[in-house]
Amino acid sequence: EAGVAQSPRYKIIEKRQSVAFWCNPISGHATLYWYQQILGQGPKLLIQFQNNGVVDDSQLPKDRFSAERLKGVDSTLKIQPAKLEDSAVYLCASSLIGLGPENIQYFGAGTRLSVL
Amino acid sequence: GDSVTQMEGPVTLSEEAFLTINCTYTATGYPSLFWYVQYPGEGLQLLLKATKADDKGSNKGFEATYRKETTSFHLEKGSVQVSDSAVYFCALRKNTGGFKTIFGAGTRLFVKA
Repeated sequence: EAGVAQSPRYKIIEKRQSVAFWCNPISGHATLYWYQQILGQGPKLLIQFQNNGVVDDSQLPKDRFSAERLKGVDSTLKIQPAKLEDSAVYLCASSLIGLGPENIQYFGAGTRLSVL
Repeated sequence: GDSVTQMEGPVTLSEEAFLTINCTYTATGYPSLFWYVQYPGEGLQLLLKATKADDKGSNKGFEATYRKETTSFHLEKGSVQVSDSAVYFCALRKNTGGFKTIFGAGTRLFVKA
């Protein structure tokens, strides 16, 4: 079974530029998550989709971050314009179902973003 | 608010030593508890979980017991190997509302041969 695919693996941009990350979840997984992992910290949830609807985006900085999951499959996270503090690893995860204590999330390898 | 606190790293051990990584949590209700492991250059992988008080999760020689009275979920392994070198994350998952997962800051483990 193929895992969660993310691209690119690395991205370097200058502040105020825009950037986009792509995620393809495990086939059949209804729930998709985007996390931000700043160096030395644990992942922080940015947004959670159930199929193509948003379940939780309370920690997404909506003035500069946006995400979509068209057709309930793959997803794109965008930052525009980027700030220095956006430097982090962006992790995508998926799960078969989003609700319930037995939920298991599967993570991609992440995209490491450096904003100069 | 809900939170997870882990012991700070890095933790450096010799091969075959006993491992304990402490984890305590603050949460309302009855969350599920998890340990994830992150090897260099890879995403997080679920190591073990426990969904209710007194449950013991175990996998690959690692184990952790859900202690509601002390709000703890300490990770232990009797004999570590060099291949266990990684970052370990403790996490809780709310079982109400959006079922959000909250992670600790992670503890880096180095195992020397």
